[in-house]
Amino acid sequence: DAGVIQSPRHEVTEMGQEVTLRCKPISGHNSLFWYRQTMMRGLELLIYFNNNVPIDDSGMPEDRFSAKMPNASFSTLKIQPSEPRDSAVYFCASSLAATYEQYFGPGTRLTVT
Amino acid sequence: GENVEQHPSTLSVQEGDSAVIKCTYSDSASNYFPWYKQELGKRPQLIIDIRSNVGEKKDQRIAVTLNKTAKHFSLHITETQPEDSAVYFCAASGKGGSYIPTFGRGTSLIVHP
Repeated sequence: DAGVIQSPRHEVTEMGQEVTLRCKPISGHNSLFWYRQTMMRGLELLIYFNNNVPIDDSGMPEDRFSAKMPNASFSTLKIQPSEPRDSAVYFCASSLAATYEQYFGPGTRLTVT
Repeated sequence: GENVEQHPSTLSVQEGDSAVIKCTYSDSASNYFPWYKQELGKRPQLIIDIRSNVGEKKDQRIAVTLNKTAKHFSLHITETQPEDSAVYFCAASGKGGSYIPTFGRGTSLIVHP
């Protein structure tokens, strides 16, 4: 298995632009998590999906952030419009709902100028 | 909600020494406690975990202990090597059957050759 796949690995954009991050979970995993990591805040959970349904989005910072999971093998995290304070590494992780172990993707380093 | 405190934030040891990282959690209903290692520029990776029905678990040079009464758990690394240098995160989850982990802020471990 290739593990959790994320794209792009790096994204540099200007303030006000739309950013879309993509994630493909491990095949067979039915839980998916989006995290944001910064030096100031550490690792923050943004949203959690189970069987493609958003279960907890309380970590989504603002309405500028949205996430979708149209099927079991694909999820997106969108920021519109982006701001410099959104600069961070965004990780996607997946797990089997019957277990707790999470497997992280390589992350997307987002820089908003 | 759950609150996880992790100490120390930075730990510097000589190669061959032992390293101990401690975490406390607030919700007695949590029952799963993983530890993740994150090397510079890489993704967090699960290195060991413990469930609330055991007090200790070992895997070669690493071990985790759990004290449910005191609500704290610790990571022990023996015979440290330079490649152990990384940021280590603890987490707690399982409250009410939830798979959503709450992470500590991380410990930067530096092993000097």
